[in-house]
Amino acid sequence: DIQMTQSPSSLSASEGDRVTVTCRASQTISTYLNWYQQKPGKAPKVLIYGVSSLQSGVPSRFSGSGSGTDFTLTINNLQPEDFATYYCQQTYSTPFTFGPGTKVDIK
Amino acid sequence: EVQLVESGGDLVQPGESLRLSCAASGFTFSRYWMHWVRQAPGKGLVWVSRINHDGSSPSYADSVEGRFTISRDNAKNTLYLQMNSLKVEDTAVYYCARATYTSGWYMSDYWGQGTLVTVSS
Repeated sequence: DIQMTQSPSSLSASEGDRVTVTCRASQTISTYLNWYQQKPGKAPKVLIYGVSSLQSGVPSRFSGSGSGTDFTLTINNLQPEDFATYYCQQTYSTPFTFGPGTKVDIK
Repeated sequence: EVQLVESGGDLVQPGESLRLSCAASGFTFSRYWMHWVRQAPGKGLVWVSRINHDGSSPSYADSVEGRFTISRDNAKNTLYLQMNSLKVEDTAVYYCARATYTSGWYMSDYWGQGTLVTVSS
């Protein structure tokens, strides 16, 4: 199975900051990498698929990059509604494993 | 409007069985692969299972293989997860999610609200 790791596990940031979350796969997954946002008590919401394609309706301050085994989610100009937990997920092969999550909270 | 509504979650004892349902509406259910994802209290997301559009090709996480069975009834627009031999570590909110294939990539673009399964003696 492909293992996914994320760093950091949590971070504190202020409104307007630029935030970067890193995701690493235990083997190459090409560009089969999605990012999800989850707020407490709510279902996850897809932000980015295929490493860098923005899902419809997602603000352009979210972006993704990377390939192979190393990937990055960047949030520019952090907004109050962005404080949440972010998960990467590989869809290269089943099981479609998620990373452990990165919690972004208010500094 | 796409909607996914899970049901069937309950408090059960270890070793017991439970069947979850996910009623889909607002899209052509039979054209989409579907997933189950779970989340233990205070923990992260864990992919559980997925099924292709006609139910002929299920796949499972190692932790549930042989105990859980995913199925679907396209006539009823409903996804199921039959869970047998439940363990305490199966305690979680279970989400169903629609898998959309876009430009060569899969993503889960719609999720239900989740249903809580508690396994405890």
